[in-house]
Formats: sequence, C-alpha cells, structure tokens
Amino acid sequence: AQSVTQLGSHVSVSEGALVLLRCNYSSSVPPYLFWYVQYPNQGLQLLLKYTTGATLVKGINGFEAEFKKSETSFHLTKPSAHMSDAAEYFCAVSVNSGYSTLTFGKGTMLLVSP
Amino acid sequence: ETGVTQSPTHLIKTRGQQVTLRCSSQSGHNTVSWYQQALGQGPQFIFQYYREEENGRGNFPPRFSGLQFPNYSSELNVNALELDDSALYLCASSQKEANSAKNIQYFGAGTRLSVL
Repeated sequence: AQSVTQLGSHVSVSEGALVLLRCNYSSSVPPYLFWYVQYPNQGLQLLLKYTTGATLVKGINGFEAEFKKSETSFHLTKPSAHMSDAAEYFCAVSVNSGYSTLTFGKGTMLLVSP
Repeated sequence: ETGVTQSPTHLIKTRGQQVTLRCSSQSGHNTVSWYQQALGQGPQFIFQYYREEENGRGNFPPRFSGLQFPNYSSELNVNALELDDSALYLCASSQKEANSAKNIQYFGAGTRLSVL
C-alpha cells in the first residue's frame, strides 16, 4: 500500500517569499505523484503531476515540484508567494493496480501575509 | 472550472437517515471516483465506478454504496447515517486508459454533509 506524509499542517510566508511545501511518499512500486490545491468551499484543482521522464515538473500559477526517488520526496515550490496562493495544498500518490485511485496526504495550509 | 458538477452543495441529515449525493462527470469521462474529506483531513477514497460497475473500493462499510448510469453520471448513497459521516464528499471524473494510474482526476466542488 502507498502513503503520503506532508510535513507541516500550516506554513506561513510573506508575500514575495519562497514557498516550500514538503511531501514524502511511500510506495513499493513506481508512483505517480500529484499536487492539488483547494481554495475555501471549492473542490480540488490539479497544480502539477509527475508520471515519468523529467523529474522537475512545472505546473500552473508558477509552481513546480521535483521528484527525488532516493529521498522518496516530491516537494512543491514557488519562488515568490502571492496573496492569491493562500489555500490548502494536497500531495497525492497513485500506482498502477486494477484501478487507479489517489492516496492523499493530510494537507498543508499555506498562509500568505502582506 | 472542471465540468464536474455535484448536487446538492449542502445537506443536513439526522443520525439513522439515508442520503443520496449526485455527480455529473466531465464530458467524455467514463470513470467516477468518490472521496470523503473529513474536517482537517485529506480526501479518502470510497469507491470508483467504471462503465456502470464498481471498479475498486476503499475501507468503507457496505452502507456506503453507489451507482453509475449509462451517461456516466453517478450517485453515492449512505444508509444509517452516523455522526462521523459528517464531511465533504467529493466526486472526481477521469477517462480510464490502459495506464490509468497517471490519469488526471477532475474534482467537483463537493457536497458538504452534516449529520446531527
């Protein structure tokens, strides 16, 4: 079975500062990795995904993530935070089995101050 | 805007009642997954439907059941509601392909269920 650990339930940054949200996964088979964002009272929106190939993945809104197999990590970064980035972020893993499903971490709330 | 719509947006029920939640999948998608998101938690997989058949199930009791219709829309039914069933219920649609684990799932805005 696979699992996801997101370090830090809350991360606070100032506007313009670097954003780093941490995600570590556990999987016995090659994983596919996803980051989703959830704004208040809304569903989940895909930010980016890693399937195969280039380990540095670029997503929407200036976010990117790097798959590091040796560290079993898939941390999300953004060079300069914007007030509109304040939301909850979920890392998720999926593996090939009889059906595809996402296993999510508990989420990290990103707070951005002026 | 993902094209996945869920109804109703909010629902209040009492313990022991039954509830039906509905999901209309994005055009062209043949697979629907349901997730439960308790307050302060990540979504947890309930089950998945592909071509009107249950295709996989998470660790949820049989009182959680579902249907998928020929137009690929779906229902989630929960019988004998318990207080712990209070959560946001999310529906996600995708197009099942051979290597389906990398398929993107598109989520609706969810139905918030409160059980009193």
